[in-house]
Amino acid sequence: GAGVSQSPSNKVTEKGKDVELRCDPISGHTALYWYRQRLGQGLEFLIYFQGNSAPDKSGLPSDRFSAERTGESVSTLTIQRTQQEDSAVYLCASSLTGDPQYFGAGTRLSVL
Amino acid sequence: EDQVTQSPEALRLQEGESSSLNCSYTVSGLRGLFWYRQDPGKGPEFLFTLYSAGEEKEKERLKATLTKKESFLHITAPKPEDSATYLCAVRTDSWGKLQFGSGTQVVVTP
Repeated sequence: GAGVSQSPSNKVTEKGKDVELRCDPISGHTALYWYRQRLGQGLEFLIYFQGNSAPDKSGLPSDRFSAERTGESVSTLTIQRTQQEDSAVYLCASSLTGDPQYFGAGTRLSVL
Repeated sequence: EDQVTQSPEALRLQEGESSSLNCSYTVSGLRGLFWYRQDPGKGPEFLFTLYSAGEEKEKERLKATLTKKESFLHITAPKPEDSATYLCAVRTDSWGKLQFGSGTQVVVTP
């Protein structure tokens, strides 16, 4: 079946603009995760959604970052007033039981 | 504070030259240790999950082992297609986030 799908694959934006990144999880997966990968660094956890529970937002770096999920389907990560330090690859993962997490190909965000 | 450290940062191997990658961790309550492979421009690809000390998993030329303080990923007789960055991650709560190491970049030359 289809894997985790992310769009766009690449996004170039100007400093101060808002961006929305989309994630379509594997069908039936109740858990969805967002991570950030800066150049040459490991993945940093941002947020995760599990069913109808309140999301764990403990990894969001500032209040400019927010995410929503529609039921057990699509999720959108929004970054407001983008800064150059927001440039990174944003990765989404989904999971059926918690283990393992399956990742999409990511969205490469470049803030000029 | 929980920490995951991978070594070496980079590894260059000749085809057929076996080696091991290390992932050491300091966490309060390990609920799972994960190995992923990441190719340039792609997302991490799941390889293994290990849950308890002494556990081992194998897949083709790869074998992962776990102790109470570290995990090893052994690459036996590697081929050029094994070239990738290998990521280690730990989970310390149910359903929750993975904490990743910074990875080991492996290059296998013919």
